[in-house]
Amino acid sequence: AQKITQTQPGMFVQEKEAVTLDCTYDTSDPSYGLFWYKQPSSGEMIFLIYQGSYDQQNATEGRYSLNFQKARKSANLVISASQLGDSAMYFCAMREGRAAGNKLTFGGGTRVLVKP
Amino acid sequence: EAGVAQSPRYKIIEKRQSVAFWCNPISGHATLYWYQQILGQGPKLLIQFQNNGVVDDSQLPKDRFSAERLKGVDSTLKIQPAKLEDSAVYLCASRFGSGRGGQETQYFGPGTRLLVL
Repeated sequence: AQKITQTQPGMFVQEKEAVTLDCTYDTSDPSYGLFWYKQPSSGEMIFLIYQGSYDQQNATEGRYSLNFQKARKSANLVISASQLGDSAMYFCAMREGRAAGNKLTFGGGTRVLVKP
Repeated sequence: EAGVAQSPRYKIIEKRQSVAFWCNPISGHATLYWYQQILGQGPKLLIQFQNNGVVDDSQLPKDRFSAERLKGVDSTLKIQPAKLEDSAVYLCASRFGSGRGGQETQYFGPGTRLLVL
């Protein structure tokens, strides 16, 4: 079974609008962490935001926020006020508590194209 | 602070040839990871080092892939002999800590794009 599922292979968003990228996860471990990375065409994975399973509040980092719904096992990324430079692949990843060394499992990614 | 360095950035080889990739992690980072990212997919962990010891190599095809981190700093990933299905981006990442849990973000290098013909 997929541990991380990103159901949107690609999406368009108008510049200056907000966009929500879906991520659902599957784990039986009570301790886990969820990460979002951005991968532009240059190939480098850029860390955006982190949410721990015990965190009481949704994580925010500038224009990025994470809509964490623990009971539904979802960790959607919200990008506000989209910019042309936000065009990239976005990956959701999970670190499970029992995974030695903070091994990350990645989803298949969502490609975002921001239209001017 | 310098990021994770990788070289070469691009490599084209023929099948059955060998190839090596180099990674220099962020200074002071104890844990180093090699990921394989096939086109259209998310990265998949190949091997993880903690200092100069292997923590997890369960998904490394050991009949053709090898990796080392002799002095606990930089690392080399080798493929010998290469197959067509090895065409992918090979990403190196590093993390400051070595223990379990916590945020301890992994920071990635620019990757090496390998094409096997």
